[in-house]
Amino acid sequence: AQKVTQAQTEISVVEKEDVTLDCVYETRDTTYYLFWYKQPPSGELVFLIRRNSFDEQNEISGRYSWNFQKSTSSFNFTITASQVVDSAVYFCALSDLDSNYQLIWGAGTKLIIKP
Amino acid sequence: DGGITQSPKYLFRKEGQNVTLSCEQNLNHDAMYWYRQDPGQGLRLIYYSQIVNDFQKGDIAEGYSVSREKKESFPLTVTSAQKNPTAFYLCASSRAGGPRYNEQFFGPGTRLTVL
Repeated sequence: AQKVTQAQTEISVVEKEDVTLDCVYETRDTTYYLFWYKQPPSGELVFLIRRNSFDEQNEISGRYSWNFQKSTSSFNFTITASQVVDSAVYFCALSDLDSNYQLIWGAGTKLIIKP
Repeated sequence: DGGITQSPKYLFRKEGQNVTLSCEQNLNHDAMYWYRQDPGQGLRLIYYSQIVNDFQKGDIAEGYSVSREKKESFPLTVTSAQKNPTAFYLCASSRAGGPRYNEQFFGPGTRLTVL
């Protein structure tokens, strides 16, 4: 069975600190896709990134970076120099053949950035 | 601007009443989805549709119904059979339902409260 685990329920840091959100996944498939979404207090989910299982290169987009490691089945998300506007719930998700390519969602990590 | 609209933003319903939540997209996406989110929880899939006039049950379809008569529209009806309908409902769409282009984009959500 597929599973996505976000073990950190809530993280609180002071502005400008770096913070890493963990995501561990389980799948039997060799081809799969991983996602991160941001849900600010307004409620609307914002798509951040999609990676496929064949692309293990780390991705950087401004202050955001993602570390994909197949050896540990992890797809961690790091925010560098955090800002108050980064406060949100962040969800990791997995899509594979077993799920008919529907998204299997983690429980989310609530990130609080204190000024 | 292209996007997904959901209406209403807030909805109040008396017990025993059916209510329909609207979801419209102008992204020309083939696939559409309905999720339910309870406070402090992740997303659970109610129904999804990969093409017009076809839809499949998700993990928690009982007490809900949908239709997909037009590509742009995917309304969700919460019936009186849904025992605990108070929740935040999110509609999403993706370019396709298969492995490619399956990143989902979300509407702003409808918060349903049963009185």
